[in-house]
Amino acid sequence: DADVTQTPRNRITKTGKRIMLECSQTKGHDRMYWYRQDPGLGLRLIYYSFDVKDINKGEISDGYSVSRQAQAKFSLSLESAIPNQTALYFCATSGTGAYEQYFGPGTRLTVT
Amino acid sequence: KNEVEQSPQNLTAQEGEFITINCSYSVGISALHWLQQHPGGGIVSLFMLSSGKKKHGRLIATINIQEKHSSLHITASHPRDSAVYICAVPSPDKLIFGTGTRLQVFP
Repeated sequence: DADVTQTPRNRITKTGKRIMLECSQTKGHDRMYWYRQDPGLGLRLIYYSFDVKDINKGEISDGYSVSRQAQAKFSLSLESAIPNQTALYFCATSGTGAYEQYFGPGTRLTVT
Repeated sequence: KNEVEQSPQNLTAQEGEFITINCSYSVGISALHWLQQHPGGGIVSLFMLSSGKKKHGRLIATINIQEKHSSLHITASHPRDSAVYICAVPSPDKLIFGTGTRLQVFP
C-alpha cells in the first residue's frame, strides 16, 4: 500500500462549491504539506503543518484552508472554488532534517 | 529572480544519448534534492545530496556547493526516462522547487 494517499484522485466541481481534498500517510512523519502545480510554474506551497497544533501558511494560501485532524491526516479545503484553482494538488510528508519529502499521487481538480 | 533555476526547460533526445540537466540556486543549503515526475503525475525522490556525487543506475547527480550548482546526468537515455525532473532546496522550513525540466526521449 502507498505510504501517502490522496482522495479524490480526480474531481470536477462548479464555481462557488466547497470542496475538500484529503491526505493520509502511514510513514509516521510529523510534517505534512499541500502544494499546487500549474503548468510552467512548478510546485507552490499552500499550507504546511509540523504537528497537529502547528499549521502555517505557504506562499499561496488565499482561498484555501486546512485541517490537521491527526498526525496521519491533513485536509485541504477550498471554501468557494473558482476556475483559477484548477490545478494538480499534491500532499507530501517529511521527517526532520533536510526535508526529503514523500509525495502522494496527486489530485487533479477542475473548477468549471 | 527565482531562488532555484533549472535549465533547459525542455529537452528532447534520441535513445542512447547522454543527458544533462542543470540547477542553480541562490540560497545557502544543507542539501539539494532531485525529483522525477512521471507523465501520470506521480513525484518520486531520486537523490538528496549535500556534496560531491551520487549515482543510482544510469542516473548521476553532482553538486558544487561553492558555485551553488547541481547537475543531473542520465547515461544511455531510454524512452522510459521521459519525465519532468525537478530540483529543490530547503529554505528553511520547507522546500523551494525549480520549475522543472521536461525530458522526452525518442526511440
